[in-house]
Formats: sequence, structure tokens, C-alpha cells
Amino acid sequence: IAGITQAPTSQILAAGRRMTLRCTQDMRHNAMYWYRQDLGLGLRLIHYSNTAGTTGKGEVPDGYSVSRANTDDFPLTLASAVPSQTSVYFCASSDETGIGYTFGSGTRLTVV
Amino acid sequence: DQQVKQNSPSLSVQEGRISILNCDYTNSMFDYFLWYKKYPAEGPTFLISISSIKDKNEDGRFTVFLNKSAKHLSLHIVPSQPGDSAVYFCAASLQLSDYKLSFGAGTTVTVRA
Repeated sequence: IAGITQAPTSQILAAGRRMTLRCTQDMRHNAMYWYRQDLGLGLRLIHYSNTAGTTGKGEVPDGYSVSRANTDDFPLTLASAVPSQTSVYFCASSDETGIGYTFGSGTRLTVV
Repeated sequence: DQQVKQNSPSLSVQEGRISILNCDYTNSMFDYFLWYKKYPAEGPTFLISISSIKDKNEDGRFTVFLNKSAKHLSLHIVPSQPGDSAVYFCAASLQLSDYKLSFGAGTTVTVRA
């Protein structure tokens, strides 16, 4: 089934540890995005990539980094996790029309 | 500061009646608007969209209205069904420059049988 695969589905992480959230798509979409969902704040853009080899900062990029080595993969790395990064993280992609993102099922991350 | 606002965090409606979800935005440059629906433990799914050159778009039971002068859009669901119980996110983008979406905080709809 075409779509976006995120891993892990959930994780409890000790503060200060490094963590990479994985995201893979099989739709050959050029653009990919990472959002975090927090109660009362909705979905906020962390980082994005318009095409392989390029990345950009979103609304809340601090403490996160991304890479886009190829079209299909867009990992999100927390270099040193802090409790405020406890959230649900969604990866998404869109084609060149930009109309209607396809989202993954999310990764629930708890930093303790 | 959030550029897309959904001021009603929740809405409860009787099955068969109309659900009206509201969304306001502050950036007058937004030219494309979307609604997403989200069930628990799933990612958001695209529901319906509208371009800024239109004031209404309809798809089955779902209709989105856009009032550019008021910077306001709304989603109407008629008739509401139990399966419509979900969180609904309003989103906006600047298509001429990029496709990044700005989302509202979401409205949780509960349809009562």
C-alpha cells in the first residue's frame, strides 16, 4: 500500500539521549515535512525538504535536524532530547501540486 | 504567533444535524485552504480544499466556505454521522511561494447518536 511509514510508533527516551525518527515514502513525492502535534497548538512545522538534497527550517526547528539523501527517506534527529520535545511527530509528503499532504501514522515520543 | 486559528476546541452535534467548524487566518497572502480529519492513533487525512479564487467548494456531505474579506473559512458537514467524530484541522498555504502548510489547533467533533 502506497504511503508513508514512520518508525518507531512510540518511544520513551531519557533526557539527553540522541534519537532518530525514521520516515520513508513510496510515492516518489518531491516534498517532505516533519510536524509535531501538541494539544492546543495543532500541528507545527519543524523542518521540510522540497526535493532530495535540500532542507529548510520550519516554525519550530530548534533541537532538531533533518537530512534528505534521497527522495524516499527523511529522518528527523533529536541530538539531545529534552522533556519539551515530548510530542506526537508526523511525517508528511506532497507532490508538485502541493495539494493535500499524505501523513504517516505518527511517532509518540516521551522524553523523561 | 499562530496564523491559522480555530477558536472552538470542541463541538458536539446530534446525528443527522449540521456540524459547522470555523477557522480564521491572519495572513492575507494565503491562497489555498484545506481541511484535514484525524482519528486517534492515525495521521491526518485530507478532506477538502478551496482556492482563494473561489468562495465555496462542495464534496458530498462536506462544503467549505471562504470569506476572504473576513479572513474566515468554515466547514459544513451535512448530515453529521457517527463516523465524523474526529479532530478537524484547518490549514492554509502560500502556493505561489511554497507548499508548507500552517495548521490551526484543531476542533474535536463528537457526533451523538
